[in-house]
Amino acid sequence: DSGVTQTPKHLITATGQRVTLRCSPRSGDLSVYWYQQSLDQGLQFLIQYYNGEERAKGNILERFSAQQFPDLHSELNLSSLELGDSALYFCASSVDPDPNYGYTFGSGTRLTVV
Amino acid sequence: GENVEQHPSTLSVQEGDSAVIKCTYSDSASNYFPWYKQELGKGPQLIIDIRSNVGEKKDQRIAVTLNKTAKHFSLHITETQPEDSAVYFCAAPNQAGTALIFGKGTTLSVSS
Repeated sequence: DSGVTQTPKHLITATGQRVTLRCSPRSGDLSVYWYQQSLDQGLQFLIQYYNGEERAKGNILERFSAQQFPDLHSELNLSSLELGDSALYFCASSVDPDPNYGYTFGSGTRLTVV
Repeated sequence: GENVEQHPSTLSVQEGDSAVIKCTYSDSASNYFPWYKQELGKGPQLIIDIRSNVGEKKDQRIAVTLNKTAKHFSLHITETQPEDSAVYFCAAPNQAGTALIFGKGTTLSVSS
């Protein structure tokens, strides 16, 4: 157990729907990163939050959004889902917003869009 | 960071052999290079990292070497065991210094 908790582990939904993925960071960590992992694109950085504030955006689609709450858990919202959004979504956390300290990943949420 | 190339994409070795995975990066300002191991059904796990002020770092059977001039770094696993079978990712910070950029991964298979 890495200490980073992601729910749900699996999600199957239809095209056009909206889903919310949840992440609880490791105790003491203030920074949360979201990544998408697909077979052809590898691990793609989506967005980073630090202590409740958005800090950096990567290749995140406009249909996707995220937030970090006062208790530091984070949610990734995916809307108007398409077949191509099927992927593993990982959350990672770290104590510092600087990625030069590395981070700890959760076990991921496998999203299947049918 | 910004562009991280990883080779090979697949690697098959016999138990006891050594395995080497190589990565190149494009941003000469990068100064932190971690390696992650991902087992089936799990998230990536940090196994070793190196900073730009050293050329090599070892931890038991794994080691990482860094050549800043050539902008490449490598993961070395000696005396491989079946439990080393997994996907390995290299990474480096992006140019903005806000997140890690990952290589496409190497699937290592160790047969006994």
